[in-house]
Amino acid sequence: RKEVEQDPGPFNVPEGATVAFNCTYSNSASQSFFWYRQDCRKEPKLLMSVYSSGNEDGRFTAQLNRASQYISLLIRDSKLSDSATYLCVVNTLTGGGNKLTFGTGTQLKVEL
Amino acid sequence: NAGVTQTPKFRVLKTGQSMTLLCAQDMNHEYMYWYRQDPGMGLRLIHYSVGEGTTAKGEVPDGYNVSRLKKQNFLLGLESAAPSQTSVYFCASTYGLSGPYEQYFGPGTRLTVT
Repeated sequence: RKEVEQDPGPFNVPEGATVAFNCTYSNSASQSFFWYRQDCRKEPKLLMSVYSSGNEDGRFTAQLNRASQYISLLIRDSKLSDSATYLCVVNTLTGGGNKLTFGTGTQLKVEL
Repeated sequence: NAGVTQTPKFRVLKTGQSMTLLCAQDMNHEYMYWYRQDPGMGLRLIHYSVGEGTTAKGEVPDGYNVSRLKKQNFLLGLESAAPSQTSVYFCASTYGLSGPYEQYFGPGTRLTVT
């Protein structure tokens, strides 16, 4: 089983739609969680951290369910500029320091 | 403030050639990382460093060596390139154990080994 699993997509949605991405992780000792965004042929950039209580940043809402080891990202009122690959990232503290494990990403295409 | 920079941006090597990728950060970060990204595989950690003069192996270290002689620089070496090392290489840095844990990435190096 992969440490971090995501549906690769692509998700093709019309502008203005609401879309949700899911991610599961296998290590119950993982401590912190993130969503990164990666545009085509560019570097990943942090979109938002994910907190146990759930958190919102404008049109984006992230949720964490530790019991089910499940993370989600909801995008409301999708824009063309939201088209990208969204990476689920899990941080685990090991003897060697922080270890980030990346999912393979979910591709989103927002269309007119 | 340039953030994380990588040199070169593109490179084509023949099998058996060697090269060094340079990563530099100006954010005074303690931790630095080298990843490779291949289609369908996600980002995989090659080597990392938790401070000047220290390095450690990641998930896929074979065929690579690293050095961190200065806090701001992290070098990735390929001694004898192989076609399996064709990939996009990203360097990243972060503050360290005390957090925050956001990793800042460089723009990547696209390497092709023929």
